[in-house]
Amino acid sequence: GAGVSQSPRYKVAKRGQDVALRCDPISGHVSLFWYQQALGQGPEFLTYFQNEAQLDKSGLPSDRFFAERPEGSVSTLKIQRTQQEDSAVYLCASSLFGDPQETQYFGPGTRLLVL
Amino acid sequence: AQSVTQLDSQVPVFEEAPVELRCNYSSSVSVYLFWYVQYPNQGLQLLLKYLSGSTLVKGINGFEAEFNKSQTSFHLRKPSVHISDTAEYFCAVRGGGNKLTFGTGTQLKVEL
Repeated sequence: GAGVSQSPRYKVAKRGQDVALRCDPISGHVSLFWYQQALGQGPEFLTYFQNEAQLDKSGLPSDRFFAERPEGSVSTLKIQRTQQEDSAVYLCASSLFGDPQETQYFGPGTRLLVL
Repeated sequence: AQSVTQLDSQVPVFEEAPVELRCNYSSSVSVYLFWYVQYPNQGLQLLLKYLSGSTLVKGINGFEAEFNKSQTSFHLRKPSVHISDTAEYFCAVRGGGNKLTFGTGTQLKVEL
């Protein structure tokens, strides 16, 4: 079956622009996660949804970052007034229920470059 | 809170040689441990995971890892690497919550 998909795969933004990154999880997966991966680093947790409820947003670096999943499937990560330090790969992952034992399945990521 | 340390940022190895990628973790609660592989311009793919039971875990592509609670380690090994194993490898821990905490990664470079 289809895996996690993300769009766009690449995004170039001028500093100060708003961007929206989309994630389509595996069909039927209840839990959805967003991670940020800076160059040469491991992914870092941003936020977590269970269905449409955002249960953990402790990793969002500032109030410029906003995520939503209004119908419990597709999710959008929005970054307002982008800064150069926002340049990174943004990874989305999903899991069936969100049980800690479950595997998280990752998408290919969106590479964001802020000029 | 949990943390993961991958001391080796790069590991060069010749094809058909054995390899070990080191991972140490710290946590105040029981953890689940994972190894993911990332090929260029691709997402993370699960290699193996330790949940409970046998401390030796076998994964895909001939990889295995051993959980050592006393040393808080979860090193990844493969007895004979192939050129196609060249990739970035990430160790991750999942504690009481739902998020994964990753190490900084080890770049495995297999040479002919």
